[in-house]
Amino acid sequence: EIVLTQSPATLSLSPGERATLSCRASQSVSSYLAWYQQKPGQAPRLLIHDASNRATGIPARFSGSGSGTDFTLTISSLEPEDFAVYYCQQRSNWFTFGGGTKLEIK
Amino acid sequence: QVQLQESGPGLVKPSETLSLTCTVSGRSVTTYYWSWIRQPAGKGLECIGRINSSGGINYNPSLKSRVTMSVDTSKNQFSLNLISVTAADTAVYYCVGAYNWFDPWGQGTLVTVSS
Repeated sequence: EIVLTQSPATLSLSPGERATLSCRASQSVSSYLAWYQQKPGQAPRLLIHDASNRATGIPARFSGSGSGTDFTLTISSLEPEDFAVYYCQQRSNWFTFGGGTKLEIK
Repeated sequence: QVQLQESGPGLVKPSETLSLTCTVSGRSVTTYYWSWIRQPAGKGLECIGRINSSGGINYNPSLKSRVTMSVDTSKNQFSLNLISVTAADTAVYYCVGAYNWFDPWGQGTLVTVSS
């Protein structure tokens, strides 16, 4: 099973700041990685697929990068609605998720 | 716009079978892949399985012995059965579109395993 490790577990930032979230895979997943956002009481929402492609309707402040084992989700300038939990997920070998990064208001 | 809605009992007794149905609107179940994903309270996400209407099915290896998924094209629904449940199966269960990535998602339904 491919294990995805997300860091940090919690990230405390202010609106307007830049957020950088990391996801590391236990073995190469090529570019088969996605990012999801989950707000309390809601289902996750697909943000990024294939490492760097924004899903339909996702604002341009969200961007993804990386390949192989190391991936990054960047939010260029945080909006109040961006504070949530973010999960990475791979589809190279079955489907597994990372443990999540909680992005909280500082 | 594709919408998914889960339905089924919110409470299941230990050792019994958890059964959920997902009704899909806005898209035929014959034209896509579908999954069930669960999330215990305060924890992460686990894919239970993926199915299409042509008979293609993949189950999570850790749950394979207890899981059955099916598609009902006449009702535009797909279903999950999980047998011999324990408290560890208590979670919010989501039905999800699953072609290459998980999108869209249903709102989720809480299933509690308790006597």
